Amino acid sequence: DAKTTQPTSMDCAEGRAANLPCNHSTISGNEYVYWYRQIHSQGPQYIIHGLKNNETNEMASLIITEDRKSSTLILPHATLRDTAVYYCIVGGSGSRLTFGEGTQLTVNP
Amino acid sequence: EPEVTQTPSHQVTQMGQEVILRCVPISNHLYFYWYRQILGQKVEFLVSFYNNEISEKSEIFDDQFSVERPDGSNFTLKIRSTKLEDSAMYFCALHGGPYEAFFGQGTRLTVV
Repeated sequence: DAKTTQPTSMDCAEGRAANLPCNHSTISGNEYVYWYRQIHSQGPQYIIHGLKNNETNEMASLIITEDRKSSTLILPHATLRDTAVYYCIVGGSGSRLTFGEGTQLTVNP
Repeated sequence: EPEVTQTPSHQVTQMGQEVILRCVPISNHLYFYWYRQILGQKVEFLVSFYNNEISEKSEIFDDQFSVERPDGSNFTLKIRSTKLEDSAMYFCALHGGPYEAFFGQGTRLTVV
């Protein structure tokens, strides 16, 4: 699986958009970009995934650069409950997930 | 979204004892996974289980670990002789489709 690089931590004001970057310069053509988050020590929660095109669902938007070497997860209106560790993971469909250290996002009131 | 229930939520066991962690998916699924997370560390893949067979395992998943689906619904992870370093959160996961994985809330295993 391709390796990903994320900032260790980020802060965001409540109600503002949170933009979480991820670098995955070694991604291969058939690998997807997945985003999960983990609140405290709960089980990781799926957020969104994409291959080439930008994606949006009820939780977030995923912007993937044209060369696919990086992506950005956007939480459009962050709330206090979005405080969590966010993981960017690259891999095939249906395959095991290789978690990195992730980004600790803290949403401040 | 599929539900995954794990039991027990917390297990304390003495070193050398056997433990069985259980995962109960609410709906029928074929792909199951076990992950663990030692306190303060990354989530680590242990094993994947497809159609009643291990499809992939990590180097962590040594001979003291085993998985099975004894009655077609429960999915279990057994640690035969626990060590102190087995203390961790253990997460069961299943794939709801080809892309997204759904995790249970975990079992906190404490080996004393």
